[in-house]
Amino acid sequence: EPEVTQTPSHQVTQMGQEVILRCVPISNHLYFYWYRQILGQKVEFLVSFYNNEISEKSEIFDDQFSVERPDGSNFTLKIRSTKLEDSAMYFCASSGEGYEQYFGPGTRLTVT
Amino acid sequence: QKEVEQDPGPLSVPEGAIVSLNCTYSNSAFQYFMWYRQYSRKGPELLMYTYSSGNKEDGRFTAQLNRASQYISLLIRDSKLSDSATYLCVVGGGYQKVTFGTGTKLQVIP
Repeated sequence: EPEVTQTPSHQVTQMGQEVILRCVPISNHLYFYWYRQILGQKVEFLVSFYNNEISEKSEIFDDQFSVERPDGSNFTLKIRSTKLEDSAMYFCASSGEGYEQYFGPGTRLTVT
Repeated sequence: QKEVEQDPGPLSVPEGAIVSLNCTYSNSAFQYFMWYRQYSRKGPELLMYTYSSGNKEDGRFTAQLNRASQYISLLIRDSKLSDSATYLCVVGGGYQKVTFGTGTKLQVIP
């Protein structure tokens, strides 16, 4: 069964460093998303992406964040200068013809 | 008022029990409704989705949507130890963001 994959599973970085989180969505899906979940809190929407451009973004998704689909399979989230409060689980999701979204296993980002 | 509300639990039930998990939403514009299961430190796993009022059944799971009352439920029959997880009520309006509830933690005990 097709699934969304994410790498790395855990990333530790120092405050102020840039990180890139990678995702491989389900192959025939066209809509891609990033969400985050701070420990003990609910899952929060960051950004949606379609046809090589951002279609919607939340207040959390400020100038420090960017997304890219560098090739036909990968979808990345870049955080330019990480802050302590960026520590969270980051989930990539994708959807195809239906609205339902399929999530990856997540990348745990720890900023020290 | 929160967009999506769930009782956080934890809800403890014995193995084999029937469990009903409930969710209400505030925005009548939401078009589709999903239940996800999330194990600790794992990604949300899609269990069921529905677009129309009424019941939708898949194995031991039944999702019920009542648009008039803006209420969604998930019924789990013959609960198993592996059903112990957090159940997330998720609503959406199209090919855009979905909004998560805080989740209900379910514990199935032997």
